[in-house]
Amino acid sequence: QKEVEQDPGPLSVPEGAIVSLNCTYSNSAFQYFMWYRQYSRKGPELLMYTYSSGNKEDGRFTAQVDKSSKYISLFIRDSQPSDSATYLCAMRPWGNNRLAFGKGNQVVVIP
Amino acid sequence: DTEVTQTPKHLVMGMTNKKSLKCEQHMGHRAMYWYKQKAKKPPELMFVYSYEKLSINESVPSRFSPECPNSSLLNLHLHALQPEDSALYLCASSPGSSGISTDTQYFGPGTRLTVL
Repeated sequence: QKEVEQDPGPLSVPEGAIVSLNCTYSNSAFQYFMWYRQYSRKGPELLMYTYSSGNKEDGRFTAQVDKSSKYISLFIRDSQPSDSATYLCAMRPWGNNRLAFGKGNQVVVIP
Repeated sequence: DTEVTQTPKHLVMGMTNKKSLKCEQHMGHRAMYWYKQKAKKPPELMFVYSYEKLSINESVPSRFSPECPNSSLLNLHLHALQPEDSALYLCASSPGSSGISTDTQYFGPGTRLTVL
């Protein structure tokens, strides 16, 4: 079993829809959780990071962590064509800077 | 400012060439990373420098040689590469205190390497 599971998609949604992405993980030592957005042929851009169970909101983005279920989510409200990208979840334990990545989920927002 | 810069943006090299990739950050971060990313795959960690010392080498072939001249700069020296080494090479940096929540990695735009 891989440490981090993420359905690679692709996921196509109409403009204005809510995009829902998620990752599951098996290592209970993971404490810090990140979502990166990567446009084609560019480096990953940090979108959100969280370190506790619950929700964190930043503009149109909401990150959710459920440590009891080992499940994290990213929601994008009012999606725009500019949100079309690959979204990578990443996580790490306390005291260790080695990130475990999901496979990445390609999202296409159709105008 | 959360910028990590990388040069060059693109590099084409033959299997007998020697070239170097450069990475720079001015955020005061003390940990710097090299990753390799193939198409439609997540980044794969290659090396980690922590406080200018090599702390992680993920069993990378010796044709890749990292160097950290100071806390702001990171180089990756390339020699005798193979066509399968063609990929996007990403540099990242983080504050360096991995026991705290804000020790988050920020990535540069990458160098797209093609080995002929």
